[in-house]
Parts: sequence; structure tokens; C-alpha cells
Amino acid sequence: DQQVKQNSPSLSVQEGRISILNCDYTNSMFDYFLWYKKYPAEGPTFLISISSIKDKNEDGRFTVFLNKSAKHLSLHIVPSQPGDSAVYFCAAKGAQKLVFGQGTRLTINP
Amino acid sequence: DAGVIQSPRHEVTEMGQEVTLRCKPISGHNSLFWYRQTMMRGLELLIYFNNNVPIDDSGMPEDRFSAKMPNASFSTLKIQPSEPRDSAVYFCASSWDLSNQPQHFGDGTRLSIL
Repeated sequence: DQQVKQNSPSLSVQEGRISILNCDYTNSMFDYFLWYKKYPAEGPTFLISISSIKDKNEDGRFTVFLNKSAKHLSLHIVPSQPGDSAVYFCAAKGAQKLVFGQGTRLTINP
Repeated sequence: DAGVIQSPRHEVTEMGQEVTLRCKPISGHNSLFWYRQTMMRGLELLIYFNNNVPIDDSGMPEDRFSAKMPNASFSTLKIQPSEPRDSAVYFCASSWDLSNQPQHFGDGTRLSIL
């Protein structure tokens, strides 16, 4: 029973363009959502979060959108840079616990 | 700022041996989490502590797994006896508390049980 799903295992984007990573969840009790970025042999690094009372949060090149009715969130990165190539995990929080998606590998091509 | 520190980074041991993984959370953080990452199951929460007290260990796979937090700056995850299926990357994370605060992860321990 996967409560948080990232349906695209991989995504390839040209440098300078927008990267859009998607995440769906099933549990309507989730009230806080996060995106993490992970490089090989390192731990996940926190990127950006959003509370369920908001529908958008921006931090520099990163914007997270939350659509509660669709139980969907997305991460927009613009403009995409080569250093953004990594695996991105979305996570949802409910009952004090984080549930992670399986990750999307983003590759930024020069 | 020192982040979450885990040791060892890599551990290779034979089946049946005891394995101890260590974690030092970020200073001032009151909540600590242990995760396991595998190809099949992704990142899954094993156990978490708040103010050094275990709150939920429902993710611990079997009685062979145990975790302790004797003080605010140190936690261990122990597997005894270890089995090949325990091979995974184990992450420790910490956060200020259990409210809506991001968790910050260490770089993990890659465990291989032969």
C-alpha cells in the first residue's frame, strides 16, 4: 500500500528549461509535504516544504505546488542547472511520521 | 554547522554477527529517526525518538533489531544476529521536534551482510 507515489522513475531536461517533478498521495490526513534531493553516497537533503493550508511555496529557483483536491504536489525548478541532477524524493507527513515516495531521477542535459 | 553524523559509513560483516550503527543528531534537535533504504521498499521509517524516548517502533522489522538513545547526542541501531536480507543503507535523521519541521539526514551507513 503505497501512500506516496512518484510515477516517473526518471526525467531528463535541458539546462535552462523548467523541470517539473510530480507526486501523488492517497492519505487525506497528511498535513505537511516536503521535497528532498539526494546525490549518490549522500543522505537526502531537504529542499522545500509546504503546509496543507497553502497551495504554493517558493524558495529561489524552487516552487512547490499543492493541489489538495487532487492529492497531488509538484516541484518546479527553473531554470534547471547541471547541479540539479539528482534523485528527488517527495515526502508526506501524517501522525508525526514521514512517508516517502520512491524517487525520481532528474538528469539535466547541457 | 555540523550535520547529522553517522558511523561507520560502510560495514561488511558475516551473517550471524552483531552490527551496531551509530548516530549523532544535530545539536539542539529533540527528535531522531532511523530509516532503512532498499531497492524494493525505498526509504522506510524504522523507529523514532522524542526527547530520548522511543515513540514508535512499529517499523522495526523483527526482534533482531533494537535501537537506543541514551542521551540527546547519541543513538544506536543494533542488529543481532544479522542476516543477508538486512543489507541496505541505514539513515539517521533529526529535527527540532515532532511538529511540521524538516528532518535533516546523515549520509547513511551502507551495510552488507555476507
